[in-house]
Amino acid sequence: ILNVEQSPQSLHVQEGDSTNFTCSFPSSNFYALHWYRWETAKSPEALFVMTLNGDEKKKGRISATLNTKEGYSYLYIKGSQPEDSATYLCASTAGQLTFGSGTQLTVLP
Amino acid sequence: NAGVTQTPKFRVLKTGQSMTLLCAQDMNHEYMYWYRQDPGMGLRLIHYSVGEGTTAKGEVPDGYNVSRLKKQNFLLGLESAAPSQTSVYFCASSLTVVEGISYTFGSGTRLTVV
Repeated sequence: ILNVEQSPQSLHVQEGDSTNFTCSFPSSNFYALHWYRWETAKSPEALFVMTLNGDEKKKGRISATLNTKEGYSYLYIKGSQPEDSATYLCASTAGQLTFGSGTQLTVLP
Repeated sequence: NAGVTQTPKFRVLKTGQSMTLLCAQDMNHEYMYWYRQDPGMGLRLIHYSVGEGTTAKGEVPDGYNVSRLKKQNFLLGLESAAPSQTSVYFCASSLTVVEGISYTFGSGTRLTVV
């Protein structure tokens, strides 16, 4: 069972601020790194799946990077909006997905 | 396209009662998963299936059984519910487990065992 850790656990930012979170995972036996966005009372929604060292993915104001050699991924949100408030989950796979406990983001208007 | 549908959405059980949670997907996905979500612990894999007629244990399988008699359905059973099984249960599916494929999640079942 992989050990996937996310930091910080929670984060409050002002509308318009840019922010980033970290996901760390074992670099050995790596297959893929997933990021999901999870709003309260809804199901987790896939943001990105990255597989190659150096991968960078972008969707609107949200982007992610991957370093498989050192075992971390960053998720960036540029110009945070209240609708970005959610829990952001990362998960790594060596067969089955193992999830971190998430970063809960609150964007204050 | 409904995606992944879980029933029921909410349930309250008494200790010792049994129940079955149903997960149905209409995307012809081979792989299906049951997770439980507890505060501060993220999503933990209970059981999974890599195809019709197959099941395998995940990280926290004790107290649960599963069946995948049809490709589109994955059932999670609690034979004798315990308060420790109070949780939110999520089903997910994926086309394969090959890297680069994301999971599709259901909307969850909130189970309380009293």
